[in-house]
Amino acid sequence: AQSVTQLGSHVSVSEGALVLLRCNYSSSVPPYLFWYVQYPNQGLQLLLKYTTGATLVKGINGFEAEFKKSETSFHLTKPSAHMSDAAEYFCAVSGFSGGYNKLIFGAGTRLAVHP
Amino acid sequence: DAGVIQSPRHEVTEMGQEVTLRCKPISGHDYLFWYRQTMMRGLELLIYFNNNVPIDDSGMPEDRFSAKMPNASFSTLKIQPSEPRDSAVYFCASSLSQIPYGYTFGSGTRLTVV
Repeated sequence: AQSVTQLGSHVSVSEGALVLLRCNYSSSVPPYLFWYVQYPNQGLQLLLKYTTGATLVKGINGFEAEFKKSETSFHLTKPSAHMSDAAEYFCAVSGFSGGYNKLIFGAGTRLAVHP
Repeated sequence: DAGVIQSPRHEVTEMGQEVTLRCKPISGHDYLFWYRQTMMRGLELLIYFNNNVPIDDSGMPEDRFSAKMPNASFSTLKIQPSEPRDSAVYFCASSLSQIPYGYTFGSGTRLTVV
């Protein structure tokens, strides 16, 4: 069975600092991995995804993530945080149940950005 | 493409009343998912459909919850009778069969049961 662990429910950074949000997964098959972002009072929006090919994936708003199979990780990074990056971030892994596809979400990490 | 459309955006109801939440998925998507989000429990998958057929409803909290998808462009989630502990944000999402496309979420319905 697939599962996702996000380390740190809350992360706080200063504006301009590096953003690092951690995600580790468990999967018995080659995984598809996703990061979603949720701004206050909005739905979840796809930030980036890894399916196959290049292990460094670039997404919207300057975010990127690297798939590391040996570490079963898919950490999300951004070189320089902006105030507008304050949101909740969810990591997800594809799962198969009874032959049907579904995503397994982590518990989320709330990112705060300070001036 | 208008995205996944949910209605209403906000719903306030009294305990014991019936509540119906609505969702219109993206045209052509064959999977539809209902999620509930609370501070305490995070994002929970309630039920999902494939080609209008319910596949897994193991996340539905209890018999007071029911969901239908009468056609490819419409789904409802009904709570009868509603209770204060049902207060949450309910999201609908849709996707194509191929998982690499990921899900597209609606803006959610914020339900408050008083």
